[in-house]
Amino acid sequence: AQSVTQPDIHITVSEGASLELRCNYSYGATPYLFWYVQSPGQGLQLLLKYFSGDTLVQGIKGFEAEFKRSQSSFNLRKPSVHWSDAAEYFCAVNILTGGGNKLTFGTGTQLKVEL
Amino acid sequence: GAVVSQHPSWVICKSGTSVKIECRSLDFQATTMFWYRQFPKQSLMLMATSNEGSKATYEQGVEKDKFLINHASLTLSTLTVTSAHPEDSSFYICSARAGARNRAGELFFGEGSRLTVL
Repeated sequence: AQSVTQPDIHITVSEGASLELRCNYSYGATPYLFWYVQSPGQGLQLLLKYFSGDTLVQGIKGFEAEFKRSQSSFNLRKPSVHWSDAAEYFCAVNILTGGGNKLTFGTGTQLKVEL
Repeated sequence: GAVVSQHPSWVICKSGTSVKIECRSLDFQATTMFWYRQFPKQSLMLMATSNEGSKATYEQGVEKDKFLINHASLTLSTLTVTSAHPEDSSFYICSARAGARNRAGELFFGEGSRLTVL
């Protein structure tokens, strides 16, 4: 079965520092990959997605992510973090199978930003 | 992007009562909607997939008689928590997908509904 792993439960960075959130997936073929952000008590907002083509995708709020097939990874990056980026970040995988079409989420990474 | 709205955003009810949560796609037709449950500081757990005009498909371990899902139109799905108990207290989030059911694609999420059962 497909799975998504976010190894880091919590990450703390200083404002202005660079950020990388890790995401690994388990699946034999290329999945559709997403990064979502969730602020406390809120729903989820899509940051970016990868379906095919260029493996480096740009998203909103200055985020980008790179799909690396050889590593089964889709890490999220931002060159300079802002205090408003503090939130929970979820990596998700959508795979089409004969049994259905579902989005599987990682366990999330809580980002704290120190001023 | 497309907008998905949930109502109510929070609700408090007594144990034994039923609570209905609505999920609406405001500017697109959603052939498929999903209901998730999220416990504090945890990820989203898919409860069920709701296809317009047909019965919902529930994930393993989710009681279909407890969590009634209705997707009567292309813009509305409802989740009814029947005979709610304190252990049902959670954050419920819906999402909707535009376009064909068998295509992967972006999900648009509602704001979530926090249920507290006393």
